Amino acid sequence: KAGVTQTPRYLIKTRGQQVTLSCSPISGHRSVSWYQQTPGQGLQFLFEYFSETQRNKGNFPGRFSGRQFSNSRSEMNVSTLELGDSALYLCASSLPSSSNYGYTFGSGTRLTVV
Amino acid sequence: SQQGEEDPQALSIQEGENATMNCSYKTSINNLQWYRQNSGRGLVHLILIRSNEREKHSGRLRVTLDTSKKSSSLLITASRAADTASYFCATDLNDMRFGAGTRLTVKP
Repeated sequence: KAGVTQTPRYLIKTRGQQVTLSCSPISGHRSVSWYQQTPGQGLQFLFEYFSETQRNKGNFPGRFSGRQFSNSRSEMNVSTLELGDSALYLCASSLPSSSNYGYTFGSGTRLTVV
Repeated sequence: SQQGEEDPQALSIQEGENATMNCSYKTSINNLQWYRQNSGRGLVHLILIRSNEREKHSGRLRVTLDTSKKSSSLLITASRAADTASYFCATDLNDMRFGAGTRLTVKP
């Protein structure tokens, strides 16, 4: 079956702009989580969505937001981009509970803010 | 914020040797998972161990969990150059939190 698909793979934006990243989970997976990965901070949890509802949220400012659609696809949005937002953004999908099978990750979107 | 901390931060070994990575965490967990990441790519799930399990095997991987010490270890036996990657532990309670990772280099 198809894996987790993240688009676009690479993105270059200017400070102050906004950006929307997309994630299509594995068919049947209803939970989608987003992570930011940087060399200095490692993998930081952004938020988790399940059945179109945000279930958990990490310690990121309100400029970071997300949503999930009825087909489980998810988007995350970052407004008023800052240089420090440059990172690899990873999306992961799982069955309702990751307790048995873990997460399946996409290849990520590499965002560069200039 | 991160939950787990891997030790060591970096490990370099020769092909055929065993590699051991450790993970410590802070809160109670439902399960602990290990993932591998090749440079700049997504993470790949390796193995999951539940909080009521003490040891689990999968191929050349062996994971132990000590909930009293809030620690886990990942052993890769007979390592190969293809095992070169970063390895992360992740704890699952309300959501998944990852450690900073161990960078493993296996020299041919």
